[in-house]
Amino acid sequence: DTAVSQTPKYLVTQMGNDKSIKCEQNLGHDTMYWYKQDSKKFLKIMFSYNNKELIINETVPNRFSPKSPDKAHLNLHINSLELGDSAVYFCASSQGQGYTGELFFGEGSRLTVL
Amino acid sequence: AQSVTQLGSHVSVSEGALVLLRCNYSSSVPPYLFWYVQYPNQGLQLLLKYTTGATLVKGINGFEAEFKKSETSFHLTKPSAHMSDAAEYFCAVTGAGDDKIIFGKGTRLHILP
Repeated sequence: DTAVSQTPKYLVTQMGNDKSIKCEQNLGHDTMYWYKQDSKKFLKIMFSYNNKELIINETVPNRFSPKSPDKAHLNLHINSLELGDSAVYFCASSQGQGYTGELFFGEGSRLTVL
Repeated sequence: AQSVTQLGSHVSVSEGALVLLRCNYSSSVPPYLFWYVQYPNQGLQLLLKYTTGATLVKGINGFEAEFKKSETSFHLTKPSAHMSDAAEYFCAVTGAGDDKIIFGKGTRLHILP
């Protein structure tokens, strides 16, 4: 059973389209995150939720909208896709808001915008 | 505020040789330090972490790292490289009470046969 699972694994779409990525964790963690990894492998946090409450919202265009229906799920919706949105998006989870614990990552969702 | 610098975006070592991946950090509070590994087409997984206590920490797959406050370093080592160690390695830092972790830019480790 995969601890943190993301769907879809690959997304290829045209500029201007809207797309969503879903994430689920079965670890019982209370905090979930979205990270963006660019083509140079640089990893940057986008959002984090603790018990469905948004606690980190980095400088991300408002075309990106996260949603956490419950503490086991965190989805990411992207409107009006742009070329620069092409990246690998990782969902992660942890127990607690602090980082003394371990982040568990999903396998990533590779988004390609044409 | 925290930051982390990984020296060398690519490191090549021969199979059986010592692996040394360098990481220096900056932190205004006592740091918590991590090394993560990313295999191709996979997410990151934790190799080891330092929070408090013993400054030499051991992780999975024979890796270890030493926290040196005086040098603000947390270098990752493994005595003998194996082909399966080829991956991207990320150093990361946070501080007590912080709500986010800062990742370095990664070091790609190549193992030469």
